[in-house]
Amino acid sequence: EPEVTQTPSHQVTQMGQEVILRCVPISNHLYFYWYRQILGQKVEFLVSFYNNEISEKSEIFDDQFSVERPDGSNFTLKIRSTKLEDSAMYFCASSQTGTSAETQYFGPGTRLLVL
Amino acid sequence: AQSVTQPDIHITVSEGASLELRCNYSYGATPYLFWYVQSPGQGLQLLLKYFSGDTLVQGIKGFEAEFKRSQSSFNLRKPSVHWSDAAEYFCAVARGSNDYKLSFGAGTTVTVRA
Repeated sequence: EPEVTQTPSHQVTQMGQEVILRCVPISNHLYFYWYRQILGQKVEFLVSFYNNEISEKSEIFDDQFSVERPDGSNFTLKIRSTKLEDSAMYFCASSQTGTSAETQYFGPGTRLLVL
Repeated sequence: AQSVTQPDIHITVSEGASLELRCNYSYGATPYLFWYVQSPGQGLQLLLKYFSGDTLVQGIKGFEAEFKRSQSSFNLRKPSVHWSDAAEYFCAVARGSNDYKLSFGAGTTVTVRA
């Protein structure tokens, strides 16, 4: 069964550094998402991406964050200047369409620790 | 805004026993409801989903869930738990057919004892 993959599985960085989290969505999917889960808190929607542009973003997704689909397979989340509060598990997801009826397939996550 | 509550943070169940995980949602209309499971090192896997129709939905791995509008609940059940069911379970809701953003509950960790 096709799956969403994410790299790295863990990343430790210093506050103020830039990080790029990478995701390879399922190949025939058109909609891509990032969610995050701060330790002990709920999984939260960050951003959705379709047709090479952001279709929706949450209030969490401020100017420090950006997403990109640099080629036909990767989908990246960049945090420009990391803060301590960015420490979280980041999940990438993809779906064929952008409706609730369509299952979102999630990757295993990248655990980011900002020191 | 919609919200999802999973009242149980952690449940321990014996192998072979039944399991029920609670989920309550807060939303004016009927939302789209989901249960996901996350095993260690794995992504969130969809167990089942409810949009409309029969309020008892069957999912993968022997799980089922029942939508009860009067109670704003969507509880997940399994009649006989296997050790491999030890995982974290998330209930999630989307507002409607064109709202793909999932709002998740805090999750329930299930431990299975032999």
